Amino acid sequence: NAGVTQTPKFQVLKTGQSMTLQCAQDMNHNSMYWYRQDPGMGLRLIYYSASEGTTDKGEVPNGYNVSRLNKREFSLRLESAAPSQTSVYFCASSETERRGGIFGPGTRLTVT
Amino acid sequence: EDKVVQSPLSLVVHEGDTVTLNCSYEVTNFRSLLWYKQEKKAPTFLFMLTSSGIEKKSGRLSSILDKKELSSILNITATQTGDSAIYLCAVLVVGAQKLVFGQGTRLTINP
Repeated sequence: NAGVTQTPKFQVLKTGQSMTLQCAQDMNHNSMYWYRQDPGMGLRLIYYSASEGTTDKGEVPNGYNVSRLNKREFSLRLESAAPSQTSVYFCASSETERRGGIFGPGTRLTVT
Repeated sequence: EDKVVQSPLSLVVHEGDTVTLNCSYEVTNFRSLLWYKQEKKAPTFLFMLTSSGIEKKSGRLSSILDKKELSSILNITATQTGDSAIYLCAVLVVGAQKLVFGQGTRLTINP
């Protein structure tokens, strides 16, 4: 039982490059989330998926796309990275009737 | 727009002191409020509060929700240096099934 896993742990991109952050959970949770965390800003929701096959925009969706591939996996794609997307990205999943989000270890992304 | 606000943003105390962290919220459809502790990596879950006035406790940490005042407090008694962390408050919103986070309180415990 690994909980929530994220890959990669670290990534450096040049402006304009694209990449996909992967997230998987093995807890059979319905809901999955992508957050970014910047200093002094707490966690801001980028996109979420309340169930397999559905995705919705969060607070800061611009510049990102997501795919809920199946119940386990929820990926976040940056099509054309910008320095403003330098951040730590956390994936989380939840069983909403019980506790809130269980977080993955995070991906530290730097865009130069 | 759903909003969660924490105060203070930063707090420095001495080991052994008691601290109270605050969280207030304005959301469209409240389900529950959660507290997390974040040290160096991912946030780890502390408490989930759904009912007003019922205190949740875990060792030296306790939390209570006031639905009338749309707020919650997290108390830590007899603080230790290991309590130094960012404490995050989040609200689970019904329907949208999303967690809305506050900015966090950075707590530093000096020996």
